Amino acid sequence: QQQVKQSPQSLIVQKGGISIINCAYENTAFDYFPWYQQFPGKGPALLIAIRPDVSEKKEGRFTISFNKSAKQFSLHIMDSQPGDSATYFCAARNLYNQGGKLIFGQGTELSVKP
Amino acid sequence: EPEVTQTPSHQVTQMGQEVILRCVPISNHLYFYWYRQILGQKVEFLVSFYNNEISEKSEIFDDQFSVERPDGSNFTLKIRSTKLEDSAMYFCASSVRENQPQHFGDGTRLSIL
Repeated sequence: QQQVKQSPQSLIVQKGGISIINCAYENTAFDYFPWYQQFPGKGPALLIAIRPDVSEKKEGRFTISFNKSAKQFSLHIMDSQPGDSATYFCAARNLYNQGGKLIFGQGTELSVKP
Repeated sequence: EPEVTQTPSHQVTQMGQEVILRCVPISNHLYFYWYRQILGQKVEFLVSFYNNEISEKSEIFDDQFSVERPDGSNFTLKIRSTKLEDSAMYFCASSVRENQPQHFGDGTRLSIL
């Protein structure tokens, strides 16, 4: 019940296309869902985050869509660029029961072709 | 922009030896975390630390692991007797408050021979 399942494992998108990465969870006590971007040799960097009382959050080309009833959330990258090529992790947190601990998905390696 | 810094970037240690990984969290942050990432796998939570105490730890964080904030700036992870399976990338993270975003360092790659 503590898992966050992420798909796909890898994704190839043409420049200008839309990249979509999906995550699913079981624990309804999760209260915060961040997405992290990781470049090779670097640590995860927070990209965008959402709380379960909101169905969508947009920051620039990045949008999180959140479906509370389906217990799913997804990251959409509009107008994908070669510089977006990185590994993306979704995560979830249960602040009330487990404090700040983040539970990560398995990661998606995104490659944007020019 | 302030950042979390970790040293060393790469540590090679013989199995059975002790290793200390060091982190300097962002200066006004109060909550500190260690995560690890075995090659090709997901990032896994190890421990959280606040007010000089462990607030949460995972099953991975057994008696071989310990954390310490020896002074006002450093946060360390010690592995007492390293095993081959401890080989991984170890990330330190910090946040202003427990409910605020966590900022990660670039990690220490630990290789156990």
